[in-house]
Amino acid sequence: DAKTTQPTSMDCAEGRAANLPCNHSTISGNEYVYWYRQIHSQGPQYIIHGLKNNETNEMASLIITEDRKSSTLILPHATLRDTAVYYCIVKYSGGGADGLTFGKGTHLIIQP
Amino acid sequence: GAVVSQHPSWVICKSGTSVKIECRSLDFQATTMFWYRQFPKQSLMLMATSNEGSKATYEQGVEKDKFLINHASLTLSTLTVTSAHPEDSSFYICSASGLAGRSSYNEQFFGPGTRLTVL
Repeated sequence: DAKTTQPTSMDCAEGRAANLPCNHSTISGNEYVYWYRQIHSQGPQYIIHGLKNNETNEMASLIITEDRKSSTLILPHATLRDTAVYYCIVKYSGGGADGLTFGKGTHLIIQP
Repeated sequence: GAVVSQHPSWVICKSGTSVKIECRSLDFQATTMFWYRQFPKQSLMLMATSNEGSKATYEQGVEKDKFLINHASLTLSTLTVTSAHPEDSSFYICSASGLAGRSSYNEQFFGPGTRLTVL
């Protein structure tokens, strides 16, 4: 699986959009970009995933660059409950059958 | 949909005893279940992968005789930590992927985790 690079931590004001970057310059053509988050002392929560087109769901939007070497997770209106560690994971398209490799992620802190 | 539960949520045991942790998929058939471990201030580490009705596949460095995994049905997997010692104290998290109706999940859904403390 391709390696990802994320900032260690980020702050964002409550109510503003939180933009979390991820670099995955060695991604291959059949690898998806997945985002999960982990709120303190809980199991990770699936957020969104995509291959090359931008994706949006009720939680977030995922913007993938045209060359697919980086992506940005956008939380449109951050709340205090969005404070968590966010993990960007690159995974083969058959990702349901393989374990996930978690990096250190980005600790997003939403400030009141 | 896609809810995964774990039981117990926390457990304290004496050194040398065995502890069983259950992981259940509540509204879908979990053809594959995964067990992860997370030490304080560290990221999740995959321990093993299990497919229903098959033996689990363990990651390098994980002792299969110490961490017994059973995945006997499409909704239940268990992890038994045998002869637990203080260094086994950790946050154990399961996840599942599988089928809901005619749709297959490529993403994994995680349980809430079980905090094990071995005295």
